[in-house]
Amino acid sequence: AIRMTQSPSSFSASTGDRVTITCRASQGISSYLAWYQQKPGKAPKLLIYAASTLQSGVPSRFSGSGSGTDFTLTISCLQSEDFATYYCQQYYSYAVTFGQGTKVEIK
Amino acid sequence: EVQLVESGGGLVQPGGSLRLSCAASGFTFSSYEMNWVRQAPGKGLEWVSYISSSGSTIYYADSVKGRFTISRDNAKNSLYLQMNSLRAEDTAVYYCARTSSSWDDYFDYWGQGTLVTVSS
Repeated sequence: AIRMTQSPSSFSASTGDRVTITCRASQGISSYLAWYQQKPGKAPKLLIYAASTLQSGVPSRFSGSGSGTDFTLTISCLQSEDFATYYCQQYYSYAVTFGQGTKVEIK
Repeated sequence: EVQLVESGGGLVQPGGSLRLSCAASGFTFSSYEMNWVRQAPGKGLEWVSYISSSGSTIYYADSVKGRFTISRDNAKNSLYLQMNSLRAEDTAVYYCARTSSSWDDYFDYWGQGTLVTVSS
């Protein structure tokens, strides 16, 4: 199975900050990568697919980049509602696999 | 509006069985591939199983292979997960999730989840 590794596992940030989360695949996955946001007690929400395509309705402060094995999720200006856990997911092959998650906390 | 509503979770003893259901509405269920994804308490997301739109193709995670069975009833717009020989490590919130399309296997809609607790 393809292993997905996110970094960092957690960090603290302030409203208005620009934040970047990294996701690395154990083998090349082209652009078959999605990002999800999850808040406590809620289901994950799709943010980005195909590494850089914003899902309909997702604010433009979210962006994704990368291909092959290295990917990033960037939030350009952190808002209060963005404090959550973020997961990357490869869908290059089944079994699809997720990163371990990155928790963004309030500083 | 797309809706996925899971049910059937609960407390079960190790070695026991449980059947989860996911009722779909707001889209043509028979045209979409579906999945089960789980999340153990305080942990990350783990994909469990996939079923094609017709039910002819099925995949399982190694951790559940031989114990869990995914199925669907397109006439009833429903997805199922039969879980047998349950273990403590199967304790998790189980989500059903819709695959976006036949060529892009990311999950565009998720249910709210149902909690399965395996404990004596």
